[in-house]
Amino acid sequence: GQQLNQSPQSMFIQEGEDVSMNCTSSSIFNTWLWYKQDPGEGPVLLIALYKAGELTSNGRLTAQFGITRKDSFLNISASIPSDVGIYFCAGLGQGAQKLVFGQGTRLTINP
Amino acid sequence: DVKVTQSSRYLVKRTGEKVFLECVQDMDHENMFWYRQDPGLGLRLIYFSYDVKMKEKGDIPEGYSVSREKKERFSLILESASTNQTSMYLCASSPPGAIYQPQHFGDGTRLSIL
Repeated sequence: GQQLNQSPQSMFIQEGEDVSMNCTSSSIFNTWLWYKQDPGEGPVLLIALYKAGELTSNGRLTAQFGITRKDSFLNISASIPSDVGIYFCAGLGQGAQKLVFGQGTRLTINP
Repeated sequence: DVKVTQSSRYLVKRTGEKVFLECVQDMDHENMFWYRQDPGLGLRLIYFSYDVKMKEKGDIPEGYSVSREKKERFSLILESASTNQTSMYLCASSPPGAIYQPQHFGDGTRLSIL
């Protein structure tokens, strides 16, 4: 079945640093979604991407739908303590009926 | 604001018990989902439903069943709980235009099977 490789698995950064994470697949996806999960809560949808090459921002977050349609990237600029959590990518393949999730990137910020 | 409410945050049950996890959403969404979340594995879809009384198997339906008798409520049932079903369970919903894209999640039920 389709699989997503999300990296890095964890990140330890200083407050104010920029963050980059990505998801890759051997399959083509038509939709990419990025979620954030705060400790003790359910995931929240951050950004949805529907077109190859699309670049979408949500505040300090920017996500891109890769041109090859096999990858997606999430960047966070000038990180702050509330950015702590687990970030998940998810993709929907051609003709697929189920969203495939990456393993998650756990972000820790040192103040 | 859409609210997805899961009936329990923490639940402890014994092997062999029949376990019910309840989920209610208040936005009249057609689509509802049950996922389980395990460290290093991300979220895996157990079942989803796109309408009352309709259900579709996800990636890991074995050992689970679901019930959708009313639009706002989607129940996950562990027919005979086993220790390998100890996990975090997440319910989600989405509107008709996002049938395969869960948009609103509950806060999860952490289930332990002893």
